[in-house]
Amino acid sequence: IAGITQAPTSQILAAGRRMTLRCTQDMRHNAMYWYRQDLGLGLRLIHYSNTAGTTGKGEVPDGYSVSRANTDDFPLTLASAVPSQTSVYFCASRAGVLTDTQYFGPGTRLTVL
Amino acid sequence: LAKTTQPISMDSYEGQEVNITCSHNNIATNDYITWYQQFPSQGPRFIIQGYKTKVTNEVASLFIPADRKSSTLSLPRVSLSDTAVYYCLVGNHSGGYQKVTFGTGTKLQVIP
Repeated sequence: IAGITQAPTSQILAAGRRMTLRCTQDMRHNAMYWYRQDLGLGLRLIHYSNTAGTTGKGEVPDGYSVSRANTDDFPLTLASAVPSQTSVYFCASRAGVLTDTQYFGPGTRLTVL
Repeated sequence: LAKTTQPISMDSYEGQEVNITCSHNNIATNDYITWYQQFPSQGPRFIIQGYKTKVTNEVASLFIPADRKSSTLSLPRVSLSDTAVYYCLVGNHSGGYQKVTFGTGTKLQVIP
């Protein structure tokens, strides 16, 4: 089934631990994004990648890192998790430069204690 | 980045037409206006996009006045399944990076 998958669905993590959220798309989209969604704040962009091999910082990048080794995968890493990183994380992709339509994954609910 | 302002919430009865207006006073010349729908525990889903005047698809219509400082999403004859949060986005993809900002959205509650 075409689309974006994210793993894990949810996770409870102790503060200070390292965590990688996985995102995979099978639509061969060039651009991919990571957002976090917090109650009352909408979605905020963490990092983005316009194409494999390139990444960039979004609105709230501190404490997060990404890599884009290939077209399909765009993992998000929290090097040392803090409670303020408790959120729902969404991965998204966009087909090309002539469209603004983003396709979102189902999300990962992360709780940092 | 163009900032958007939407009502926080709206209620509507089933079968009615719902209009959600978004203000974006500092929209740039090459910005598009895009609306997404989000159900609880799901990622946002694209509804409609436009640049000016009116755009219509099988789900909704988007009205954009000549000055483009606002836009209105119109949902015809809503049903209970249209209960969701609706986001108005303004941005462009100049240089590849899509410069868009999700606001807090409008929570639409459809009442039987």
